[in-house]
Amino acid sequence: QSVLTQPPSVSAAPGQKVTISCSGSSSNIGNNYVSWYQQLPGTAPKLLIYENSKRPSGIPDRFSGSKSGTSATLDITGLQAGDEADYYCGTWDRSLVWMFGGGTKLTVL
Amino acid sequence: EVHLVESGGGLVKPGGSLRLSCAASGFNFNNYNMNWVRQAPGKGLEWVSSISYSSGHIFYAESVKGRFTISRDNAKDSLYLQMNSLRAEDTAVYYCAREQYGSSWYVDYWGQGTLVTVSS
Repeated sequence: QSVLTQPPSVSAAPGQKVTISCSGSSSNIGNNYVSWYQQLPGTAPKLLIYENSKRPSGIPDRFSGSKSGTSATLDITGLQAGDEADYYCGTWDRSLVWMFGGGTKLTVL
Repeated sequence: EVHLVESGGGLVKPGGSLRLSCAASGFNFNNYNMNWVRQAPGKGLEWVSSISYSSGHIFYAESVKGRFTISRDNAKDSLYLQMNSLRAEDTAVYYCAREQYGSSWYVDYWGQGTLVTVSS
């Protein structure tokens, strides 16, 4: 069981908005930045969001992130079929380990 | 362009050993901390180990401490993971991942992964 808690699955129709949450504690999310990763089926993870809300070049602004206290959120607007993937949050913990959430499977209906 | 290419995976019996390699290109390897992250079949991501750019700081997940050893050769732009006393629960795709620093640490590039299967 992961220390960072994500919903196992979310779903929405094309064009709609979906929100994925990531809940941690004061030893991880509460005192560190959060990053988000997209893993398309059969591929390696890819960085989507870093330092809570920044997007690497090439990531569309349909993807946005935020953090409040010990929780973080990934929002995806204008859903597309190609967004179907697993999404993971990640952060550094005070115990000097990287932590990832359990992952959320996004289904575009 | 950043490239990370893992190799060395395969089938090994419980109790056996395996050495994974990661060849880096497209960036100054000796300026970056590096990580190994694994993913068991159908499961989520699990951080395994980190090594600083100069090998001065090394960290391991509790699940592999004492069995796995991370190392790097900056002259060869390569990262390694020596895995001993392998168990069935070590079966996973192992990813090499680069760590970046802006205002904080985050993993920004991943390799394509190499599959390790521990089975008799």
